[in-house]
Amino acid sequence: NAGVTQTPKFQVLKTGQSMTLQCAQDMNHNSMYWYRQDPGMGLRLIYYSASEGTTDKGEVPNGYNVSRLNKREFSLRLESAAPSQTSVYFCASRSDSSTDTQYFGPGTRLTVL
Amino acid sequence: QKEVEQNSGPLSVPEGAIASLNCTYSDRGSQSFFWYRQYSGKSPELIMFIYSNGDKEDGRFTAQLNKASQYVSLLIRDSQPSDSATYLCAVLSNTGNQFYFGTGTSLTVIP
Repeated sequence: NAGVTQTPKFQVLKTGQSMTLQCAQDMNHNSMYWYRQDPGMGLRLIYYSASEGTTDKGEVPNGYNVSRLNKREFSLRLESAAPSQTSVYFCASRSDSSTDTQYFGPGTRLTVL
Repeated sequence: QKEVEQNSGPLSVPEGAIASLNCTYSDRGSQSFFWYRQYSGKSPELIMFIYSNGDKEDGRFTAQLNKASQYVSLLIRDSQPSDSATYLCAVLSNTGNQFYFGTGTSLTVIP
């Protein structure tokens, strides 16, 4: 039982390049989330998916797209990376109970030059 | 106004002391509240959740919730150097879909 996995762990991009961050969970959770974490800013929600086939914008969606490929997988795509997207990205999942926590993946550290 | 506010610290306490971490939130409809611990370079991990007014204790940790004052706190008794980390307060939105996080409080426990 791996929980939430993310790939890659580290990535360096040049401005304008594109990439996809992958996330998968094996806990049969309905909800999945993508956050970014910047120094002094806490965790900010980019997009979330309450169930397979649905996605919704969070607090900071500009410059990102997401795909909920199936119940297990939720990917985050940067179409044209900018230095402002340098951050640590966390994927999380949770079940539907209001008292259930999110389980976080190990994170992807992205640098855009 | 941010949804969730925390003092960023840093907060330093001697080993064995009580560490007190505080959090306020803006949405009166929020029902569930979570405290996460995050070590440097790692992902957040759950310490406790609380959804009823009052205190909830789990080992050395006590979460306190006051919905009238829109205030959540975390007390760590008998603080240990291994408790040194950033503590994140999170509030589940009244729609039950989104979490709002504070910026975190950095705690250092001095041996």
